[in-house]
Amino acid sequence: AQKITQTQPGMFVQEKEAVTLDCTYDTSDPSYGLFWYKQPSSGEMIFLIYQGSYDQQNATEGRYSLNFQKARKSANLVISASQLGDSAMYFCAMREIYSSASKIIFGSGTRLSIRP
Amino acid sequence: DAGVIQSPRHEVTEMGQEVTLRCKLISGHNSLFWYRQTMMRGLELLIYFNNNVPIDDSGMPEDRFSAKMPNASFSTLKIQPSEPRDSAVYFCASSVDRGLYGYTFGSGTRLTVV
Repeated sequence: AQKITQTQPGMFVQEKEAVTLDCTYDTSDPSYGLFWYKQPSSGEMIFLIYQGSYDQQNATEGRYSLNFQKARKSANLVISASQLGDSAMYFCAMREIYSSASKIIFGSGTRLSIRP
Repeated sequence: DAGVIQSPRHEVTEMGQEVTLRCKLISGHNSLFWYRQTMMRGLELLIYFNNNVPIDDSGMPEDRFSAKMPNASFSTLKIQPSEPRDSAVYFCASSVDRGLYGYTFGSGTRLTVV
């Protein structure tokens, strides 16, 4: 069964520093997608970045990059030059491509707080 | 594109009452997902539809919960009768290709059952 683990319930980072949010996953499906979502205090879920299991390069979207280490089954989110507006909950998620259920499951989240 | 639209944004109801949450998909999307978010259980998938057909409803907690997709652009999640433990934020999300590359979420409905 698929599983997502985020071991950092909360993190504090100084503004302008880079931050890495950890995510490990477990699946027996050879094809899967990995996602990160941001949930600010206003509550909406914002899609940040996607990595496919067969993608050769790490995904990047602006200040966001996904450090994908397939052998270790990790998909850490890296935010460069953090800003106050990055303070939010961050969820790692996964979808198995060939699973008949084919649904996205989410980790428990990491609450990131950026200090000025 | 107006995005995924959920209504109401907030709902407060008394225990035992029927509650109906509504969701309008993004035009062109053919998959619809209902999630519930609580502090204790995080984000839980309740049910999802593909091309108006329910694919997986294993997350629906009880018979008190039901979901419909009467057409390609609209869905409802009904709780009858509601209980205080149903209090949560309910999200719907839509996508193409069954969410292969992720979903677009609505803003959520915060439900409080007193």
